[in-house]
Amino acid sequence: DGGITQSPKYLFRKEGQNVTLSCEQNLNHDAMYWYRQDPGQGLRLIYYSQIVNDFQKGDIAEGYSVSREKKESFPLTVTSAQKNPTAFYLCARSILPGASYGYTFGSGTRLTVV
Amino acid sequence: DQQVKQNSPSLSVQEGRISILNCDYTNSMFDYFLWYKKYPAEGPTFLISISSIKDKNEDGRFTVFLNKSAKHLSLHIVPSQPGDSAVYFCAASDRGSRLTFGEGTQLTVNP
Repeated sequence: DGGITQSPKYLFRKEGQNVTLSCEQNLNHDAMYWYRQDPGQGLRLIYYSQIVNDFQKGDIAEGYSVSREKKESFPLTVTSAQKNPTAFYLCARSILPGASYGYTFGSGTRLTVV
Repeated sequence: DQQVKQNSPSLSVQEGRISILNCDYTNSMFDYFLWYKKYPAEGPTFLISISSIKDKNEDGRFTVFLNKSAKHLSLHIVPSQPGDSAVYFCAASDRGSRLTFGEGTQLTVNP
């Protein structure tokens, strides 16, 4: 799994409910990221964190929240305020914050809101 | 403001031929570029990268070319194989900042 694990693989929720997606890494890397993938729109950054207890909004943070209480964990909550929550969500880690060496991605969570 | 653009949503080639995937960027401060490959329902995996101080980087069947004056990079796959069928994302960073991704190109290699 490249040292980064996302769970669950598939998630179904009713409209109006908050839902939390899990992302765990076991390589002691500082930086973690959440992306959303929609058809034809590539990967869009939701939130990122470079150190524990600190995180920054990405390009599409509205309707989402995160926490970084531990280095190895960066959960994403999709709130009821997110207008179009159905998407494929990807978590990534990097050795250094914003590393040009690239990111390692988890296997993703497909969220479907009905 | 789409700083990294992949204008071709899809590309279809015959097995054994060359696949050329293109990417354009607008931010002249980008200094590192990467290509990722993604299969359905999986996370993207790193393929190849290039620094702005180079104009070519090669790794086996994969070669990335960078034309800084045109703000254009391309990924060449030779020879293409059916297992190369996937979505390819171009990404760029500015002095080690977060990666910005393009929209992706679906490559289909026909046997």
